[in-house]
Parts: sequence; structure tokens; C-alpha cells
Amino acid sequence: QKEVEQDPGPLSVPEGAIVSLNCTYSNSAFQYFMWYRQYSRKGPELLMYTYSSGNKEDGRFTAQVDKSSKYISLFIRDSQPSDSATYLCATQAPGAGSYQLTFGKGTKLSVIP
Amino acid sequence: NAGVTQTPKFQVLKTGQSMTLQCAQDMNHNSMYWYRQDPGMGLRLIYYSASEGTTDKGEVPNGYNVSRLNKREFSLRLESAAPSQTSVYFCASRRTRGGTDTQYFGPGTRLTVL
Repeated sequence: QKEVEQDPGPLSVPEGAIVSLNCTYSNSAFQYFMWYRQYSRKGPELLMYTYSSGNKEDGRFTAQVDKSSKYISLFIRDSQPSDSATYLCATQAPGAGSYQLTFGKGTKLSVIP
Repeated sequence: NAGVTQTPKFQVLKTGQSMTLQCAQDMNHNSMYWYRQDPGMGLRLIYYSASEGTTDKGEVPNGYNVSRLNKREFSLRLESAAPSQTSVYFCASRRTRGGTDTQYFGPGTRLTVL
């Protein structure tokens, strides 16, 4: 079992829809959780960073972590065509493993005008 | 401020040829990384360098070598390229500030091995 599982999609939604992207992870040592956004033929860029359980909001984006069920979510409100990209979840362990990130495979999202 | 730069952007090799992928960052970051990204496999770590003078293997190091030339530069070498190394290669550097840990990625090198 991969340490981080993510449905690759693709996911297609109409403009203005609420989007929900999800990942599950298996290693309970993970304490830091990230979402990266990758536009076509570009490198990934950090979108959201959260520590432990709870919600974090930034504009139209909300990251949610449920450590009890090892579940990570990213919600996008009022989705725009410019949100069309691949979204990768990533996790990180503290201590000796802190230099390495473990990525999900990414979910490709298309927002249709 | 260019961020993370990678050269070349594209490369086609024949099986058995060698090449070096170059990466440089101008953000004064200590840690640097090399990843490969394949369809259906996501991003996988090849090697990383926690600081100047140190390198460590990641998830998929076989067939690669790295050199942390100085704080700015981290190169990835394929000594004898194989078709299985056809991929998109990303270099990244890491910043830790204010409780947030961010990896900054370069634009990638698209490598095809025939």
C-alpha cells in the first residue's frame, strides 16, 4: 500500500461549483500536510500547508485534516477556469524524516466555463 | 530573483548515453531535491541534499548520481541512460519559515530515452 493514496481523476466541474479533493495516508507519524497545485507543463507550487488536525482557510481554498481517519481534503469554493490544474497532496514526518515529502499521485481538475 | 532554474528544458538521449541535469537556486536555501514525475506514479524523490556537502538517497535512486556542487547548485547525472528513465525531472529547494515548510520547484526537464 502506498503511503499516500489519491484518486487521479480526472475531475471535471462547471464554473462556480464547489470542488472536493481528497487523499488518505497510512503512516500515523505524518504531522504536516500540504496541497500543491501544478499547471500543465509547469513545476508544482505550494497552495496550502497545515499542521495536525483541523481546518485552514485561504480565500476560496480550505484544507482539512482528520488525523483520526488519516484523511486530507482540499475544498475549492466558487471554482474558476484558472483553477484547472493537477492538485497533489503531500505529507511530511517530523524529526529525521522531515527532509522528505511523500506525494499523492495528483488529481487532474478541469473547471469548465 | 529567478527562483529554481533547470537546464536543459528538453533532452533526447539514446540508450547508454550519459548526461547531467543542472539545477540552481538563488534563494539561499540549504536543502535541495531531485524528483521524477511519471504518469500514474506521481512525484518520486530520487536524491536530496539536506545541506551543502551532504546527499542522501530517496525512493528511486538506482541509475542516478548527484553532486551538491555548492549551496546554489545540485546536479543529477545519468551515467548510462535507459528507456525506463524517460520522465519529467524536477529540482526543488526548501525554505522553512514561520512554521511553514515550502518546497520551490523548477520548471522541469523533459527527458526521453530511446
